[in-house]
Amino acid sequence: AQSVTQLDSHVSVSEGTPVLLRCNYSSSYSPSLFWYVQHPNKGLQLLLKYTSAATLVKGINGFEAEFKKSETSFHLTKPSAHMSDAAEYFCVVSEGGGFKTIFGAGTRLFVKA
Amino acid sequence: EPEVTQTPSHQVTQMGQEVILRCVPISNHLYFYWYRQILGQKVEFLVSFYNNEISEKSEIFDDQFSVERPDGSNFTLKIRSTKLEDSAMYFCASRGDHEEYGYTFGSGTRLTVV
Repeated sequence: AQSVTQLDSHVSVSEGTPVLLRCNYSSSYSPSLFWYVQHPNKGLQLLLKYTSAATLVKGINGFEAEFKKSETSFHLTKPSAHMSDAAEYFCVVSEGGGFKTIFGAGTRLFVKA
Repeated sequence: EPEVTQTPSHQVTQMGQEVILRCVPISNHLYFYWYRQILGQKVEFLVSFYNNEISEKSEIFDDQFSVERPDGSNFTLKIRSTKLEDSAMYFCASRGDHEEYGYTFGSGTRLTVV
C-alpha cells in the first residue's frame, strides 16, 4: 500500500538560504513521485517528477529532488530561497499505472526577508 | 500552455441539495481525477476515471458521489445530497498517456455547504 510522509508541517528559512523539504514514501511497486506547490488561493502546480529515469530530478524555479530508494525518500531542495517560494508543498506518490495517487499532508514554507 | 478548467470557482449550496462540479480536462488527456481538500487538511484522492469508467476510488467516494464524462470534453463530479462535511476545495486533474508528464490540476472549486 502507498503512503507518503512529509516530515515537517512547517519550514521557515531566510531569503537566500537553502531549502530542504523532506518526504518519505512507502510503495509496494516502483512508484512515480511528484512535488506540487500550492500558493494561497491557487491550484496545484507541478514542480518536478520522478518516474524511474534519473534519480536526481530538476524542476521549475530552481527546485530539485533526489530519489533514494534505499532510504525511500524524495526530498525537495533549493540552493537559495526566494520570497516567492513561500507556499504549501505537497509530495505525491503514484503507483499501479497512475490510477491512484496519494498526497502527503503538505509542508508550509515560510521565507523571511 | 494547456490548462484544466474548473467551474464554478466557488459554489454555495444548501445541505441536502445536489451539486455538480464541472471540469474541462486537457483535450488529449486520457486519465481524469477528482481530489478534495478540506480547509487546513491534506489533499485527498477521490476517484480516477479512464476509458469511460471508474478505475479507482477511495473510501470517501461513497454512493453520494458519481462522476461522468457526458460529452467527451467535460468531466463532472456530482454529489447527490450534500452534507456540511462536504465543504471543501475540489480539484480536478488530468494526465496524458504517459505518467512521466505528470498530472495537470485545475484551480479548484470551493464548495460551501450551509
